[in-house]
Amino acid sequence: SQKIEQNSEALNIQEGKTATLTCNYTNYSPAYLQWYRQDPGRGPVFLLLIRENEKEKRKERLKVTFDTTLKQSLFHITASQPADSATYLCALRGGATNKLIFGTGTLLAVQP
Amino acid sequence: EPEVTQTPSHQVTQMGQEVILRCVPISNHLYFYWYRQILGQKVEFLVSFYNNEISEKSEIFDDQFSVERPDGSNFTLKIRSTKLEDSAMYFCASSEGAGKETQYFGPGTRLLVF
Repeated sequence: SQKIEQNSEALNIQEGKTATLTCNYTNYSPAYLQWYRQDPGRGPVFLLLIRENEKEKRKERLKVTFDTTLKQSLFHITASQPADSATYLCALRGGATNKLIFGTGTLLAVQP
Repeated sequence: EPEVTQTPSHQVTQMGQEVILRCVPISNHLYFYWYRQILGQKVEFLVSFYNNEISEKSEIFDDQFSVERPDGSNFTLKIRSTKLEDSAMYFCASSEGAGKETQYFGPGTRLLVF
């Protein structure tokens, strides 16, 4: 069955450093991969979308890479700030479906 | 910036009762979705809706669940006879469609069934 894995443990980094979060998937060929931010008790907030034929996408301090051979996406936050502390969710979508399949998320804590 | 809104923010109900969760998707969006997230677990797809009909549903979305777009702005999820295991955050989402795939989520309704 389809499986999406994100770093299960919390990621603690120092303010100003680059945070790198990993999303690995198996038994799936997504057409799109999306990253969301989720704060406690809130809905997912869209950050970036990358398509299967794209290697990299950037938006301000955020960068996403997508390697369909490794079946992996990396999500980077440069110059991290305490306000970036949240859970980051990876979500995949196939080409013939609109449903998103989510990973369990990685909790990022940026220490001042 | 346009947002998906949901009401109520919290709903407490007794097992066996019916609940209706309401959503107002972003106004020019054509695709609507419901997802749920049980406490401490991942976000799970329930159903997608397009052109006034269900386009896809998960195995979770059984006969106890139904969706409706009663007018031009609201999108509802009804649970006919709630069970304890229906307790979760329910998120509505919408997307523009036609090559614009990003799904935008609402703030959620926290449903507690006792």
